[in-house]
Amino acid sequence: DGGITQSPKYLFRKEGQNVTLSCEQNLNHDAMYWYRQDPGQGLRLIYYSQIVNDFQKGDIAEGYSVSREKKESFPLTVTSAQKNPTAFYLCATRPAGRSGANVLTFGAGSRLTVL
Amino acid sequence: DQQVKQNSPSLSVQEGRISILNCDYTNSMFDYFLWYKKYPAEGPTFLISISSIKDKNEDGRFTVFLNKSAKHLSLHIVPSQPGDSAVYFCAAISNQAGTALIFGKGTTLSVSS
Repeated sequence: DGGITQSPKYLFRKEGQNVTLSCEQNLNHDAMYWYRQDPGQGLRLIYYSQIVNDFQKGDIAEGYSVSREKKESFPLTVTSAQKNPTAFYLCATRPAGRSGANVLTFGAGSRLTVL
Repeated sequence: DQQVKQNSPSLSVQEGRISILNCDYTNSMFDYFLWYKKYPAEGPTFLISISSIKDKNEDGRFTVFLNKSAKHLSLHIVPSQPGDSAVYFCAAISNQAGTALIFGKGTTLSVSS
């Protein structure tokens, strides 16, 4: 079953705790992305990686960290420095090359709630 | 500053009628535009796209129009169906700049039967 797997689906965290959201893909896509969705805010880019061992900050990277040690995996850590972490987090991938290269495929998302 | 704007947060349409969702952009470097559909608690799914070299792209009930001079695109859904009720996101990218997709804030479409 090919696709993007985000886990956990729902996560509760106490203030001051770091939490890591998992994103795994078996689509053999080169680029991977993390977006955050808040009501009325659309999708905002946190971090993206176009190749293994390399990643770039998006528009709202503060309080987040990522790693890209394997092509299949792009975990996102929400640190205690993130002031308002409660949100719906979406991982996406994109293939390299011209065919369909602009279309992102999204995972099902992870809902993080800070108590 | 928002580069992709969807100025209507919501739209209500009757089943069978046309739904028109609008999107404006400010970055003239954008050369590819996409529409995504999203249901609550799910990831967005790709709907339709258009390259800046075209002014129209059609796929079944969905048509996207691009007006480059006005920096405006629109998504037409006809006929609208209750299952079309969802949040629609407009997105844009500059392949030349090699950046990521930039999304608008979304428009919630409600189709009543």
